[in-house]
Amino acid sequence: DGGITQSPKYLFRKEGQNVTLSCEQNLNHDAMYWYRQDPGQGLRLIYYSQIVNDFQKGDIAEGYSVSREKKESFPLTVTSAQKNPTAFYLCASSPRGVATDTQYFGPGTRLTVL
Amino acid sequence: RKEVEQDPGPFNVPEGATVAFNCTYSNSASQSFFWYRQDCRKEPKLLMSVYSSGNEDGRFTAQLNRASQYISLLIRDSKLSDSATYLCVVNLLTTSGTYKYIFGTGTRLKVLA
Repeated sequence: DGGITQSPKYLFRKEGQNVTLSCEQNLNHDAMYWYRQDPGQGLRLIYYSQIVNDFQKGDIAEGYSVSREKKESFPLTVTSAQKNPTAFYLCASSPRGVATDTQYFGPGTRLTVL
Repeated sequence: RKEVEQDPGPFNVPEGATVAFNCTYSNSASQSFFWYRQDCRKEPKLLMSVYSSGNEDGRFTAQLNRASQYISLLIRDSKLSDSATYLCVVNLLTTSGTYKYIFGTGTRLKVLA
Protein backbone atom coordinates (compact mmCIF):
# COMPACT_ATOMS: atom_id res chain seq x y z
CA ASP A 1 0.00 0.00 0.00
CA GLY A 2 1.56 3.30 -1.09
CA GLY A 3 1.33 6.30 1.16
CA ILE A 4 2.82 8.62 3.72
CA THR A 5 3.30 7.61 7.31
CA GLN A 6 3.96 9.84 10.28
CA SER A 7 4.85 8.77 13.75
CA PRO A 8 3.96 9.07 16.47
CA LYS A 9 0.32 10.15 16.22
CA TYR A 10 0.44 11.94 19.59
CA LEU A 11 3.57 13.29 21.22
CA PHE A 12 4.07 14.97 24.56
CA ARG A 13 7.24 16.71 25.53
CA LYS A 14 8.47 18.85 28.34
CA GLU A 15 9.46 22.42 27.73
CA GLY A 16 13.13 22.73 26.77
CA GLN A 17 13.37 19.32 25.08
CA ASN A 18 14.03 18.69 21.41
CA VAL A 19 11.78 16.18 19.68
CA THR A 20 11.90 14.57 16.23
CA LEU A 21 8.83 13.80 14.16
CA SER A 22 9.08 11.05 11.58
CA CYS A 23 7.77 11.20 8.00
CA GLU A 24 8.20 8.37 5.48
CA GLN A 25 6.74 7.97 1.98
CA ASN A 26 6.83 5.06 -0.47
CA LEU A 27 5.24 6.95 -3.37
CA ASN A 28 8.61 7.64 -5.02
CA HIS A 29 7.90 11.36 -4.76
CA ASP A 30 10.74 13.83 -5.15
CA ALA A 31 9.29 16.67 -3.08
CA MET A 32 8.42 16.60 0.61
CA TYR A 33 6.99 19.25 2.92
CA TRP A 34 6.34 19.99 6.58
CA TYR A 35 3.40 22.11 7.68
CA ARG A 36 2.05 23.26 10.97
CA GLN A 37 -1.67 23.78 11.64
CA ASP A 38 -3.04 25.81 14.54
CA PRO A 39 -6.74 26.25 15.36
CA GLY A 40 -8.39 28.85 13.14
CA GLN A 41 -5.34 29.18 10.90
CA GLY A 42 -4.40 27.79 7.54
CA LEU A 43 -1.54 25.34 7.16
CA ARG A 44 1.82 27.11 7.31
CA LEU A 45 4.94 25.84 5.58
CA ILE A 46 7.91 25.06 7.83
CA TYR A 47 10.43 23.41 5.46
CA TYR A 48 10.39 21.73 2.10
CA SER A 49 12.73 19.60 0.04
CA GLN A 50 12.70 18.92 -3.68
CA ILE A 51 15.65 16.52 -3.85
CA VAL A 52 17.77 14.44 -1.53
CA ASN A 53 20.34 16.39 0.50
CA ASP A 54 18.67 19.71 -0.25
CA PHE A 55 15.94 21.61 1.59
CA GLN A 56 14.66 25.17 1.93
CA LYS A 57 13.08 27.17 4.71
CA GLY A 58 9.40 27.87 4.51
CA ASP A 59 7.52 30.72 6.14
CA ILE A 60 8.00 29.67 9.77
CA ALA A 61 11.31 27.76 9.93
CA GLU A 62 12.63 29.34 13.14
CA GLY A 63 13.01 26.75 15.90
CA TYR A 64 12.82 23.80 13.49
CA SER A 65 15.36 21.71 11.60
CA VAL A 66 15.11 18.99 8.95
CA SER A 67 17.24 16.55 7.02
CA ARG A 68 16.74 14.70 3.72
CA GLU A 69 19.31 11.93 3.58
CA LYS A 70 17.00 9.52 1.77
CA LYS A 71 14.28 10.15 -0.80
CA GLU A 72 11.72 8.36 1.36
CA SER A 73 12.37 10.16 4.63
CA PHE A 74 12.06 13.77 5.80
CA PRO A 75 12.23 14.00 9.62
CA LEU A 76 11.45 17.25 11.41
CA THR A 77 13.10 18.25 14.69
CA VAL A 78 11.26 20.71 16.90
CA THR A 79 13.93 22.37 19.00
CA SER A 80 13.68 24.12 22.34
CA ALA A 81 14.08 27.40 20.44
CA GLN A 82 10.53 27.05 19.04
CA LYS A 83 8.45 29.27 21.31
CA ASN A 84 5.00 27.80 20.69
CA PRO A 85 5.51 24.21 19.55
CA THR A 86 2.09 22.83 20.51
CA ALA A 87 0.35 22.22 17.17
CA PHE A 88 -0.76 19.65 14.60
CA TYR A 89 2.18 18.81 12.30
CA LEU A 90 1.50 17.53 8.80
CA CYS A 91 3.98 16.05 6.37
CA ALA A 92 3.20 15.99 2.65
CA SER A 93 4.80 14.86 -0.57
CA SER A 94 4.32 15.55 -4.26
CA PRO A 95 5.75 13.92 -7.38
CA ARG A 96 8.06 16.69 -8.59
CA GLY A 97 7.22 19.96 -6.85
CA VAL A 98 5.95 21.62 -10.03
CA ALA A 99 2.96 23.86 -10.80
CA THR A 100 0.41 21.14 -11.42
CA ASP A 101 1.54 18.81 -8.64
CA THR A 102 -0.90 17.57 -6.07
CA GLN A 103 0.34 17.27 -2.53
CA TYR A 104 -0.59 14.20 -0.49
CA PHE A 105 -0.64 14.36 3.27
CA GLY A 106 0.28 11.97 6.03
CA PRO A 107 -2.05 11.47 9.02
CA GLY A 108 -0.23 14.06 11.13
CA THR A 109 1.41 14.22 14.54
CA ARG A 110 -0.24 16.15 17.35
CA LEU A 111 2.50 17.63 19.55
CA THR A 112 1.73 18.96 23.01
CA VAL A 113 4.32 20.71 25.14
CA LEU A 114 3.68 20.33 28.83
CA ARG B 1 -4.78 41.22 3.06
CA LYS B 2 -4.49 37.43 3.31
CA GLU B 3 -3.11 35.63 0.27
CA VAL B 4 -6.07 33.23 0.23
CA GLU B 5 -9.33 34.20 1.88
CA GLN B 6 -12.33 32.06 2.71
CA ASP B 7 -15.50 32.58 4.71
CA PRO B 8 -14.93 30.42 7.82
CA GLY B 9 -18.64 29.57 8.15
CA PRO B 10 -20.06 27.42 9.54
CA PHE B 11 -22.53 26.74 6.77
CA ASN B 12 -25.37 24.68 8.25
CA VAL B 13 -27.48 23.18 5.46
CA PRO B 14 -30.16 20.46 5.33
CA GLU B 15 -29.52 17.18 3.55
CA GLY B 16 -30.19 17.47 -0.15
CA ALA B 17 -29.41 21.19 -0.31
CA THR B 18 -27.01 22.85 -2.72
CA VAL B 19 -24.24 24.88 -1.13
CA ALA B 20 -21.51 27.05 -2.63
CA PHE B 21 -18.24 28.30 -1.19
CA ASN B 22 -16.05 31.04 -2.58
CA CYS B 23 -12.37 31.70 -2.16
CA THR B 24 -10.37 34.73 -3.29
CA TYR B 25 -6.63 34.90 -3.85
CA SER B 26 -4.43 37.97 -4.01
CA ASN B 27 -1.48 36.91 -6.16
CA SER B 28 -2.17 36.92 -9.88
CA ALA B 29 0.92 34.71 -10.39
CA SER B 30 -0.94 31.77 -8.83
CA GLN B 31 -0.48 28.81 -11.14
CA SER B 32 -2.93 26.13 -10.06
CA PHE B 33 -5.79 25.74 -7.67
CA PHE B 34 -7.23 23.00 -5.50
CA TRP B 35 -9.98 22.19 -3.07
CA TYR B 36 -9.07 19.90 -0.19
CA ARG B 37 -11.40 18.41 2.38
CA GLN B 38 -10.34 18.10 6.01
CA ASP B 39 -12.28 16.13 8.59
CA CYS B 40 -11.95 17.01 12.25
CA ARG B 41 -8.46 16.20 13.58
CA LYS B 42 -7.46 14.49 10.32
CA GLU B 43 -5.20 15.32 7.42
CA PRO B 44 -6.40 17.27 4.36
CA LYS B 45 -7.38 15.14 1.38
CA LEU B 46 -7.61 16.31 -2.20
CA LEU B 47 -11.18 16.87 -3.33
CA MET B 48 -10.63 18.50 -6.71
CA SER B 49 -8.03 20.25 -8.79
CA VAL B 50 -9.13 23.35 -10.71
CA TYR B 51 -6.91 24.16 -13.69
CA SER B 52 -8.74 26.21 -16.28
CA SER B 53 -12.37 27.21 -16.48
CA GLY B 54 -13.40 24.63 -13.93
CA ASN B 55 -14.37 21.00 -13.67
CA GLU B 56 -17.02 18.68 -12.31
CA ASP B 57 -16.80 15.44 -10.35
CA GLY B 58 -20.15 13.93 -9.51
CA ARG B 59 -21.97 16.26 -7.13
CA PHE B 60 -19.01 18.63 -6.92
CA THR B 61 -18.24 21.46 -9.34
CA ALA B 62 -15.28 23.82 -9.08
CA GLN B 63 -14.99 27.04 -11.06
CA LEU B 64 -12.05 29.36 -11.57
CA ASN B 65 -12.30 33.05 -12.47
CA ARG B 66 -8.77 34.31 -13.13
CA ALA B 67 -9.89 37.86 -13.98
CA SER B 68 -11.57 38.30 -10.60
CA GLN B 69 -9.13 35.99 -8.80
CA TYR B 70 -11.58 33.67 -7.17
CA ILE B 71 -12.49 30.02 -7.22
CA SER B 72 -15.70 28.42 -6.09
CA LEU B 73 -16.92 25.02 -5.00
CA LEU B 74 -20.51 23.92 -5.51
CA ILE B 75 -21.89 20.86 -3.74
CA ARG B 76 -25.23 19.55 -4.97
CA ASP B 77 -27.54 17.16 -3.10
CA SER B 78 -25.56 17.48 0.15
CA LYS B 79 -25.02 14.32 2.20
CA LEU B 80 -24.37 14.03 5.92
CA SER B 81 -20.93 12.69 5.00
CA ASP B 82 -20.06 15.99 3.29
CA SER B 83 -19.76 17.62 6.73
CA ALA B 84 -16.14 18.76 6.93
CA THR B 85 -13.89 21.77 6.48
CA TYR B 86 -13.11 22.68 2.87
CA LEU B 87 -9.70 24.21 2.24
CA CYS B 88 -8.97 26.42 -0.73
CA VAL B 89 -5.36 26.08 -1.94
CA VAL B 90 -3.38 27.97 -4.56
CA ASN B 91 -0.01 26.88 -5.94
CA LEU B 92 2.26 29.86 -6.37
CA LEU B 93 5.59 30.26 -8.16
CA THR B 94 7.99 31.88 -5.68
CA THR B 95 10.88 34.23 -6.43
CA SER B 96 13.29 31.33 -5.82
CA GLY B 97 11.75 29.41 -8.70
CA THR B 98 9.99 26.79 -6.59
CA TYR B 99 6.28 26.22 -6.13
CA LYS B 100 4.50 26.73 -2.85
CA TYR B 101 1.01 25.84 -1.66
CA ILE B 102 -0.86 28.68 0.05
CA PHE B 103 -3.80 27.49 2.16
CA GLY B 104 -6.96 29.29 3.13
CA THR B 105 -8.18 28.84 6.68
CA GLY B 106 -11.09 26.71 5.50
CA THR B 107 -14.86 26.86 5.33
CA ARG B 108 -16.73 24.61 7.72
CA LEU B 109 -19.79 22.78 6.39
CA LYS B 110 -22.32 20.97 8.53
CA VAL B 111 -25.04 19.01 6.76
CA LEU B 112 -28.07 18.45 8.97
CA ALA B 113 -30.46 15.49 8.88
